[in-house]
Amino acid sequence: QQQVKQSPQSLIVQKGGIPIINCAYENTAFDYFPWYQQFPGKGPALLIAIRPDVSEKKEGRFTISFNKSAKQFSLHIMDSQPGDSATYFCAAKKGDYKLSFGAGTTVTVRA
Amino acid sequence: DTAVSQTPKYLVTQMGNDKSIKCEQNLGHDTMYWYKQDSKKFLKIMFSYNNKELIINETVPNRFSPKSPDKAHLNLHINSLELGDSAVYFCASSPGGGYTFGSGTRLTVV
Repeated sequence: QQQVKQSPQSLIVQKGGIPIINCAYENTAFDYFPWYQQFPGKGPALLIAIRPDVSEKKEGRFTISFNKSAKQFSLHIMDSQPGDSATYFCAAKKGDYKLSFGAGTTVTVRA
Repeated sequence: DTAVSQTPKYLVTQMGNDKSIKCEQNLGHDTMYWYKQDSKKFLKIMFSYNNKELIINETVPNRFSPKSPDKAHLNLHINSLELGDSAVYFCASSPGGGYTFGSGTRLTVV
């Protein structure tokens, strides 16, 4: 069964818009929540990650918001650009155990 | 220098054949993984090795056999290939936090 549920499956925004991708998890033992970006023909690349003792983390135009009580976390892409068009995956893991991935969200940023 | 390199990048083969995919990482990470990405882009873990020792073996047909000759290499051998094995296979390595993925091997079984 999927341990991390991700939505939406796809979304389209205009340049400058803010795509928001949401993820939810059940396992309260998870202690590491990364986001990966994947371009066609490439492997997923680590974008940004957060631990549950922090409610928000920003790196450049990418922001993770984390709600521990709701067991949810989300990725916001500020001032989105056509070059941000990619598939984004949320993931979670406990300690050194395996990463469980969400199903992915295909983001298209129109010029 | 590619951090995690996989070969080949593309592999087209007939049903019933045996094939191998090789992976090497130069990051000095202790743990390496094989993930399978299906046509819907879902990433599912197959195996994990830590310092040459198998630590994760998900529900994968025993036609799939990983081998780690040293901690920098993790190869995947697949026997008796089936149509359903067609997918992109990713190797990854980790020091314990985030993963670094290779660029993938697209396997097509015809």
